[in-house]
Amino acid sequence: DAKTTQPPSMDCAEGRAANLPCNHSTISGNEYVYWYRQIHSQGPQYIIHGLKNNETNEMASLIITEDRKSSTLILPHATLRDTAVYYCIVRGHFGNEKLTFGTGTRLTIIP
Amino acid sequence: DTAVSQTPKYLVTQMGNDKSIKCEQNLGHDTMYWYKQDSKKFLKIMFSYNNKELIINETVPNRFSPKSPDKAHLNLHINSLELGDSAVYFCASSQPSRDPVKQFFGPGTRLTVL
Repeated sequence: DAKTTQPPSMDCAEGRAANLPCNHSTISGNEYVYWYRQIHSQGPQYIIHGLKNNETNEMASLIITEDRKSSTLILPHATLRDTAVYYCIVRGHFGNEKLTFGTGTRLTIIP
Repeated sequence: DTAVSQTPKYLVTQMGNDKSIKCEQNLGHDTMYWYKQDSKKFLKIMFSYNNKELIINETVPNRFSPKSPDKAHLNLHINSLELGDSAVYFCASSQPSRDPVKQFFGPGTRLTVL
């Protein structure tokens, strides 16, 4: 599975868009980008995933660069409940189903 | 409705004891997992079961023995507990035929070994 690099921490003002970057320069053609988050004292929660096209769901948007070497998770209107550690994971869609979590980005939403 | 549940939520015990953590999912998923999150917050896979068969065992000491009585349950039994076993243990489930990487996690069990 490709390695990812994320900033250790970020702050964002409540109501603003939170943009969380992830570098995955060694991603291979069949690997997807997945985002999970872990709110304090809870289990990880799936957010979104994508292969090469931008994706949007009720939680967030995922923007993947054309060369697929980096991506950005966007929370359009951050709330205090979005304070969490956000994990970017790159792996194949099939095969060994384990998730390999890195250190993630600790996002703090400021009131 | 709780999708993935774990019991107990907190477990405090002495070194050398044997303890079990239970996990149940009501999502109809075929695959269940155990993850360990240590004090430094690293989250690592321990085991994975698909339809009651072990498919992933990530070099976990054999003091840890998962048991899957049916595909909705995956329990974790730990023998001869050690101080280093103190961690938060998360159970998860997924439906590989639909989306193998979209996993649903339980609330976690915080194990403290004294």
